[in-house]
Amino acid sequence: AQSVTQLGSHVSVSEGALVLLRCNYSSSVPPYLFWYVQYPNQGLQLLLKYTSAATLVKGINGFEAEFKKSETSFHLTKPSAHMSDAAEYFCAVSESLFSGGYNKLIFGAGTRLAVHP
Amino acid sequence: GAVVSQHPSRVICKSGTSVKIECRSLDFQATTMFWYRQFPKQSLMLMATSNEGSKATYEQGVEKDKFLINHASLTLSTLTVTSAHPEDSSFYICSAPERNTEAFFGQGTRLTVV
Repeated sequence: AQSVTQLGSHVSVSEGALVLLRCNYSSSVPPYLFWYVQYPNQGLQLLLKYTSAATLVKGINGFEAEFKKSETSFHLTKPSAHMSDAAEYFCAVSESLFSGGYNKLIFGAGTRLAVHP
Repeated sequence: GAVVSQHPSRVICKSGTSVKIECRSLDFQATTMFWYRQFPKQSLMLMATSNEGSKATYEQGVEKDKFLINHASLTLSTLTVTSAHPEDSSFYICSAPERNTEAFFGQGTRLTVV
């Protein structure tokens, strides 16, 4: 079985400060890992994904995440926060990236990021 | 990128009535679609997997007779909340994986049962 734990339901940073959102996973098979962002009353947008090609993954909007197998972690970072980054962030794990189009995702509880001027 | 359209974005219905939510993959075919439910300030919980041309697979604890899923074509899946009650009020999101790439999400539907 797979699971995802996001440490910190709320994170608050100042504009221009480093953003660090934590995600730890549990998986019995090599995982595929994802970070999604959700703005109020909207669906999810993919920020980045780990597919075993490279441990440091760069995504959209200046975000990146590093896969650390020894720590079973996939933390999301951004060097300098922007006001527009304020949103809900979800880490997710999947057993397969694609398997006949099947891509069941298990989500973490989410972290709400607030950015202050 | 691929687009998944979900309709309606918001719906208010009376208790006891049924509501249908549509999820369409606009530029790709999706043999599988997923329906999630999201409670306020919580994560997404998978409700069911919609399979084109066959019965949906429901997660444990989800009432199949209450949440009817139909996946009649390769681009459309529908979720019908039957005999809705206030506790069914929630945000419902669908997703469709594009073959060999990733899952794309609809915009979500805010259901309010009064």
